[in-house]
Amino acid sequence: EIVMTQSPATLSVSPGERATLSCRASQSVSSNLAWYQQKPGQAPRLLIYGASTRATGIPARFSGSGSGTEFTLTISSLQSEDFAVYYCQQYNNWPPHTFGQGTKVEIK
Amino acid sequence: EVQLVESGGGLVKPGGSLRLSCAASGFTFSSYSMNWVRQAPGKGLEWVSSISSSSSYIYYADSVKGRFTISRDNAKNSLYLQMNSLRAEDTAVYYCASGEIGYDYWGQGTLVTVSS
Repeated sequence: EIVMTQSPATLSVSPGERATLSCRASQSVSSNLAWYQQKPGQAPRLLIYGASTRATGIPARFSGSGSGTEFTLTISSLQSEDFAVYYCQQYNNWPPHTFGQGTKVEIK
Repeated sequence: EVQLVESGGGLVKPGGSLRLSCAASGFTFSSYSMNWVRQAPGKGLEWVSSISSSSSYIYYADSVKGRFTISRDNAKNSLYLQMNSLRAEDTAVYYCASGEIGYDYWGQGTLVTVSS
């Protein structure tokens, strides 16, 4: 089973600043990686798939990069609505479609 | 507008059973793989099960294999999860989600609580 490890667990950022979130796979997942945003009491929302393709309606301030085992989600200028928990998920080798443990982006 | 609406959650005793449903609308349900993902209180996301568009391929997490059964009825645009031999650690919000290259649409979730 592929293990997805996200870092840091919590990221404290001021509004308007850049946030960089990392996701590492225990073995190569090629570019078969997605990122999700989840706010309290809500379902997750797909942000990025194919490691770098924004999902429909996702603002350009969200960008994804990486391939193989190392991936990054960058939020270029944090808005108030971006404070949330972010998860990565691999869908290269399944079952299972493993998720990372999440990174909480909080207001500094 | 795409909608996924889960139902069937509730309180059940350990060893009991529950059947979750997910009603889909706003897209061609029969063309999409579907998935169940759960989230225990205060915890992260855990993939539970997936089923291909024609039900040819079905997968389960090791934690539920042999106890849960995923199925779908394309004529009714519905996805199901039959959960048997429930344990306390199955307590979670259960989401249905569409897609396989990233889960692009999610329902609002239904809470399953396993407790005596």
